[in-house]
Amino acid sequence: DAGVTQSPTHLIKTRGQQVTLRCSPKSGHDTVSWYQQALGQGPQFIFQYYEEEERQRGNFPDRFSGHQFPNYSSELNVNALLLGDSALYLCASSESTGFGYTFGSGTRLTVV
Amino acid sequence: DQQVKQNSPSLSVQEGRISILNCDYTNSMFDYFLWYKKYPAEGPTFLISISSIKDKNEDGRFTVFLNKSAKHLSLHIVPSQPGDSAVYFCAASSQSGTYKYIFGTGTRLKVLA
Repeated sequence: DAGVTQSPTHLIKTRGQQVTLRCSPKSGHDTVSWYQQALGQGPQFIFQYYEEEERQRGNFPDRFSGHQFPNYSSELNVNALLLGDSALYLCASSESTGFGYTFGSGTRLTVV
Repeated sequence: DQQVKQNSPSLSVQEGRISILNCDYTNSMFDYFLWYKKYPAEGPTFLISISSIKDKNEDGRFTVFLNKSAKHLSLHIVPSQPGDSAVYFCAASSQSGTYKYIFGTGTRLKVLA
């Protein structure tokens, strides 16, 4: 039973560029949440997608946007990258209640 | 504003002894609490949870205690094993009207053989 799959695992981007991270949820899950984990910090909620719409958003600027596809997979897009966007980006899937997360292994984004 | 705090960044315990990891929260609206364990290069994995209607939940070697009046919870691991060495995150949520977890900054547990 495949869990949550994230791609790519590592990524290096230049300041000002744009990046797209991808997530395939665990089988049977229809809800996807994205978290940012900076070095030495706990994961911080970016947003959650359900039924292809953003259901809730954390305190992140509009440069962070997302999308959910009919097959429940999701993308996280970050525009105009800043050095401070360097972090581990975690995708978590769950059932429609939005809780009971299964996390992926994350995408390590480095902005130089 | 750090609503969930784990004030001990690291903890070392001898194999076979008890590990106690602590977590404090400030938001009285939180009614569901979880502990996650994270190994390097892996995502966090769910360990144990507790609802605010309880003050204790046990699962094998892991027990979580909740003190609502003190806004404090703790995770006890007995007996500790070297494989328990990981970063432990406390997380909290309000089950109504929000779908996000608020995580603490984590405690790195090292179990010495």
